[in-house]
Amino acid sequence: AQKITQTQPGMFVQEKEAVTLDCTYDTSDPSYGLFWYKQPSSGEMIFLIYQGSYDQQNATEGRYSLNFQKARKSANLVISASQLGDSAMYFCAMREGLRGNNRLAFGKGNQVVVIP
Amino acid sequence: GAVVSQHPSRVICKSGTSVKIECRSLDFQATTMFWYRQFPKQSLMLMATSNEGSKATYEQGVEKDKFLINHASLTLSTLTVTSAHPEDSSFYICSAEDRRGNQPQHFGDGTRLSIL
Repeated sequence: AQKITQTQPGMFVQEKEAVTLDCTYDTSDPSYGLFWYKQPSSGEMIFLIYQGSYDQQNATEGRYSLNFQKARKSANLVISASQLGDSAMYFCAMREGLRGNNRLAFGKGNQVVVIP
Repeated sequence: GAVVSQHPSRVICKSGTSVKIECRSLDFQATTMFWYRQFPKQSLMLMATSNEGSKATYEQGVEKDKFLINHASLTLSTLTVTSAHPEDSSFYICSAEDRRGNQPQHFGDGTRLSIL
């Protein structure tokens, strides 16, 4: 079974608008971490934001925020005030267990293109 | 922030050549590093988990003798693609996890391997 699901088609976003990228996950482990990474066309994977399963509040990092709905097993990424440099693939990932040395399961990614 | 250096960034070589890719954590110690392969417009596929001082753990379907992994120190893991053929052409990317745990994986910039 797929652990991370990202099903949105490619998205065009107007500059300065907000965009929400959907991510649902599947796990029976009570301890897990959720991550979002950005991959521009150059290929590097850039860590954006992290949410732990026991975190009471939604994570925020600058223009990035994570809408964590534990009961629905969703961890949507919200990018506010989109910039042209936000054009990239965005991957949602999950690590089961909170300690290190556990593998990440990646979703298939969301393509975002920001237009002026 | 944490930095992972991956070298080389791009390799073009003849069929039958062996290619070594290095992954270094520059400002933290990583007992575990991960090697991924990514085909165009697809997600990251975990190839193997590299553990310092022990044998790597390979994912199902990944040939151990084709993709040799050596994790000789807490800051360096290498992936050697032995006797590479055109079908081995791909984007290879490593990540490292801080041994302190509960930290995001940090990725290298990736290596684009093209076998002629």
